[in-house]
Amino acid sequence: NAGVTQTPKFQVLKTGQSMTLQCAQDMNHEYMSWYRQDPGMGLRLIHYSVGAGITDQGEVPNGYNVSRSTTEDFPLRLLSAAPSQTSVYFCASSRTGGNYGYTFGSGTRLTVV
Amino acid sequence: GENVEQHPSTLSVQEGDSAVIKCTYSDSASNYFPWYKQELGKGPQLIIDIRSNVGEKKDQRIAVTLNKTAKHFSLHITETQPEDSAVYFCAAKLYQGGKLIFGQGTELSVKP
Repeated sequence: NAGVTQTPKFQVLKTGQSMTLQCAQDMNHEYMSWYRQDPGMGLRLIHYSVGAGITDQGEVPNGYNVSRSTTEDFPLRLLSAAPSQTSVYFCASSRTGGNYGYTFGSGTRLTVV
Repeated sequence: GENVEQHPSTLSVQEGDSAVIKCTYSDSASNYFPWYKQELGKGPQLIIDIRSNVGEKKDQRIAVTLNKTAKHFSLHITETQPEDSAVYFCAAKLYQGGKLIFGQGTELSVKP
């Protein structure tokens, strides 16, 4: 099992550019989510999904879009990149129907210049 | 919504000593409290979790305690080793299948 796979690992964008961060899991997990990690602020939830076709906003959704067309994939789109979106982004997945731990990907380090 | 506070932000101990990290949560309906370890350049990894119907859970050198009345929970690491050096995150989940809210993280350094 590959677990949770995130691509790319590193990315540099210019202000105003758009891009998609990819996340795929092979564990048949219903729940998937995106977090951003900034120094001193822990992991903050951007968007999450409890199943294909269902998404919802987290704590810091502005500037990001998501969709969930399949159980396996949960891409995160930056519509118009801003320097404030410089961060490390993590995708995580878990089973639902009970209290289960999350499995995290290895992260995408994004720099917006 | 749920809010999780974590202390301290940094912790330095000598090898063999114990380390304690504390978290408080705001919503009394939270019922699941996992702890994650994040090594440099990697994603967080679940190391232990506790549910609201349990007061304490142990796994070798790691233990977690939960005080529902005070709404706080703690991670205890005994006989620390240099490989325990990492950033540790606590988290709380409001209900089954709900979103996980994380604390700010604690950078633990174990000096040989």
